[in-house]
Amino acid sequence: NAGVMQNPRHLVRRRGQEARLRCSPMKGHSHVYWYRQLPEEGLKFMVYLQKENIIDESGMPKERFSAEFPKEGPSILRIQQVVRGDSAAYFCASSPPGYGANVLTFGAGSRLTVL
Amino acid sequence: GQQVMQIPQYQHVQEGEDFTTYCNSSTTLSNIQWYKQRPGGHPVFLIQLVKSGEVKKQKRLTFQFGEAKKNSSLHITATQTTDVGTYFCAGEGGGADGLTFGKGTHLIIQP
Repeated sequence: NAGVMQNPRHLVRRRGQEARLRCSPMKGHSHVYWYRQLPEEGLKFMVYLQKENIIDESGMPKERFSAEFPKEGPSILRIQQVVRGDSAAYFCASSPPGYGANVLTFGAGSRLTVL
Repeated sequence: GQQVMQIPQYQHVQEGEDFTTYCNSSTTLSNIQWYKQRPGGHPVFLIQLVKSGEVKKQKRLTFQFGEAKKNSSLHITATQTTDVGTYFCAGEGGGADGLTFGKGTHLIIQP
């Protein structure tokens, strides 16, 4: 019974390259969330998706960042033309369907380092 | 928008001492959740509180939800080295806002 699977666990990119982070939600979960965490900081909400739909992207930077959750396959957080300030841990979380109180199950995170 | 404030940001305690972290929301919450993140790890769900004035216990951990459903606290009795980590509260409003996380309290334990 796999939990939330994220890959890669660690990613190193040079400035200007693209970073793609993948997240497979827990079995039975249809809601996916992406959070960013800087060292010694809290969790900053980025985006909330359901299958083929972006529900809330109020935390996403306006440029270079995009997210999708296709009908088949994992959710992907894509960062184009990375800059040093993008270095952070990116956590994906999932929750089961249903409106109301949703408990999040987090993945182990993808740690992005931009050189 | 909804804001969740958490204090203190850092707390140093001697092993065996008690620890408390406080969480305050700018708006009334439908529920509040607590998560723990070990150093280098990922957040792990601890508990969810839903009712006004609710108190829940997990061994040495006591969680409270305020009467007005705008604040919460986590109290750890007789801390142990395994308690080290960052404790986050996360509040959910009545609409479709989803969870808003506090910035967390880093618990550092000195043996």
